[in-house]
Amino acid sequence: EAQVTQNPRYLITVTGKKLTVTCSQNMNHEYMSWYRQDPGLGLRQIYYSMNVEVTDKGDVPEGYKVSRKEKRNFPLILESPSPNQTSLYFCASSGTSGFFKQYFGPGTRLTVT
Amino acid sequence: GNSVTQMEGPVTLSEEAFLTINCTYTATGYPSLFWYVQYPGEGLQLLLKATKADDKGSNKGFEATYRKETTSFHLEKGSVQVSDSAVYFCALSEGGGSNYKLTFGKGTLLTVNP
Repeated sequence: EAQVTQNPRYLITVTGKKLTVTCSQNMNHEYMSWYRQDPGLGLRQIYYSMNVEVTDKGDVPEGYKVSRKEKRNFPLILESPSPNQTSLYFCASSGTSGFFKQYFGPGTRLTVT
Repeated sequence: GNSVTQMEGPVTLSEEAFLTINCTYTATGYPSLFWYVQYPGEGLQLLLKATKADDKGSNKGFEATYRKETTSFHLEKGSVQVSDSAVYFCALSEGGGSNYKLTFGKGTLLTVNP
């Protein structure tokens, strides 16, 4: 089954404690992306990657890092989380055939206290 | 920069009512336009798309027409069902055919009552 998986699905942490949210896709997609969803703001892109070792900033990259060492994985790293990073996070991927369709993961709800 | 503006929700309708969710956009080039749907507790799913002016996207009874002259991509459905209750996002993508960046509207919550 074609899918994008994220872990963990729910996370409560404290300010300053480094964390990583993993994202993996099994569709051999080149493109992957991270979004955050906040009430009244919709989805905003954090980072995206066009392929292995190729990443770029989206609209709200501050406080986040990403890496793309393997095609299937695109982890989101918060080196020093702060309460304003409390949000619902989505990973997405797409290929170059049918490239208009992005497949979204189920989301990770992060709370930073 | 690019932006998408969609009507504020929430929208509450009775089953079989007609639905319109307005969406307008600002873009520098010739974007592709999308509607995504998010059911409770799930990620987003592509509902329909249109890649050039006057294209009509359709799926599951929903339709939207790419209107370049009014920079709009309004979502419509003739008869909604309870199962259509969800959040709907209008989005655009630019990039010479690649969809490496999606710009989303803020979302519209639709609730359909029996």
